[in-house]
Amino acid sequence: AQSVTQPDIHITVSEGASLELRCNYSYGATPYLFWYVQSPGQGLQLLLKYFSGDTLVQGIKGFEAEFKRSQSSFNLRKPSVHWSDAAEYFCAVDGNKLVFGAGTILRVKS
Amino acid sequence: EAQVTQNPRYLITVTGKKLTVTCSQNMNHEYMSWYRQDPGLGLRQIYYSMNVEVTDKGDVPEGYKVSRKEKRNFPLILESPSPNQTSLYFCASSPGRAGELFFGEGSRLTVL
Repeated sequence: AQSVTQPDIHITVSEGASLELRCNYSYGATPYLFWYVQSPGQGLQLLLKYFSGDTLVQGIKGFEAEFKRSQSSFNLRKPSVHWSDAAEYFCAVDGNKLVFGAGTILRVKS
Repeated sequence: EAQVTQNPRYLITVTGKKLTVTCSQNMNHEYMSWYRQDPGLGLRQIYYSMNVEVTDKGDVPEGYKVSRKEKRNFPLILESPSPNQTSLYFCASSPGRAGELFFGEGSRLTVL
């Protein structure tokens, strides 16, 4: 069975600092991989996705993620965080079905 | 504007009183799905539909029903709500099963 783990429930970073949110998955092959963001009171919005090819993918709002097959990971990164990035971030994995991680809440301190 | 619309956005009801949460998308998407979001559990799929008249159970279907009579609409029905169905519900649609999901803004349901 496939699964996805986001090890960090909460992360706090200072505005302007770099960010990395971790995502690990378990699946027998390479799945489709996604990162979604949920702002307070809103639905989820797709940040980026990986299907195949280049393992470093660029998304919206200055985010990027790197697929590492050897580590079964798909970590989300941003070089410089803005206060408006405060939200909850979900990693999702689609092998034979789409499964979401439990989410990581990002707090940005000024 | 491309969107997924859910109604109602907020609802407080009592145990056993049937309710329906509507979902409509204007993107001509084949695939639609319902999720519930609970703290610490992420999003769990309730039901999904690959196309009109085709629906299937997700991970947590107990206590819910759906129908897909038209491509654009995918209502979620709680025949006899119970307090453990208090949750935040999201409808989503996609051009295909593995494509990008477009989410509605959510419906917060409280069952007393």
